[in-house]
Amino acid sequence: EAGVVQSPRYKIIEKKQPVAFWCNPISGHNTLYWYLQNLGQGPELLIRYENEEAVDDSQLPKDRFSAERLKGVDSTLKIQPAELGDSAVYLCASSSHAGDTQYFGPGTRLTVL
Amino acid sequence: GQNIDQPTEMTATEGAIVQINCTYQTSGFNGLFWYQQHAGEAPTFLSYNVLDGLEEKGRFSSFLSRSKGYSYLLLKELQMKDSASYLCAVGLGAGKSTFGDGTTLTVKP
Repeated sequence: EAGVVQSPRYKIIEKKQPVAFWCNPISGHNTLYWYLQNLGQGPELLIRYENEEAVDDSQLPKDRFSAERLKGVDSTLKIQPAELGDSAVYLCASSSHAGDTQYFGPGTRLTVL
Repeated sequence: GQNIDQPTEMTATEGAIVQINCTYQTSGFNGLFWYQQHAGEAPTFLSYNVLDGLEEKGRFSSFLSRSKGYSYLLLKELQMKDSASYLCAVGLGAGKSTFGDGTTLTVKP
């Protein structure tokens, strides 16, 4: 069974530029999560989807971040414009249902110059 | 707010046993997860405890005491490949969870 797929794996951009990350969860998983992880810290939730509905986006900086999960399968996270402080690893995870074990993708390492 | 405490770093010797502690104070609780994360890689699931007691899975065991807000991950017969960060995560209910900052374990020969 294929795991969570993310692309790109690495991205380097200049500040004020837009960037987008893509995630394809494990087949059949209803719940999809986007996390931000800084070095030496645990993952911090940005947004959680149940099917195509965003049910927890309280930690998403909505002035510059947006996300979508059309058709309740794959998802895109966008930052526009990027700031220096956005440099981090962006992890996508999925679970069968909310609260179940989460399975993580390899992450996208973003560097903003 | 949610609070999870783990030691930042630990060092142990190959073949030995190490215990990684996690204490939590959270607004809700419906289970505790342990994940392993090698440098530059994604977290991978190790264990889940929802009831008090010890869950054993090969070389790894996880313990939970809900009344004390305490859990530990026990790693036996340490191998070099066990060098990684170990993340404690608490399920808060309603599909929410929160992660600790992880304990970086270094296994030395």
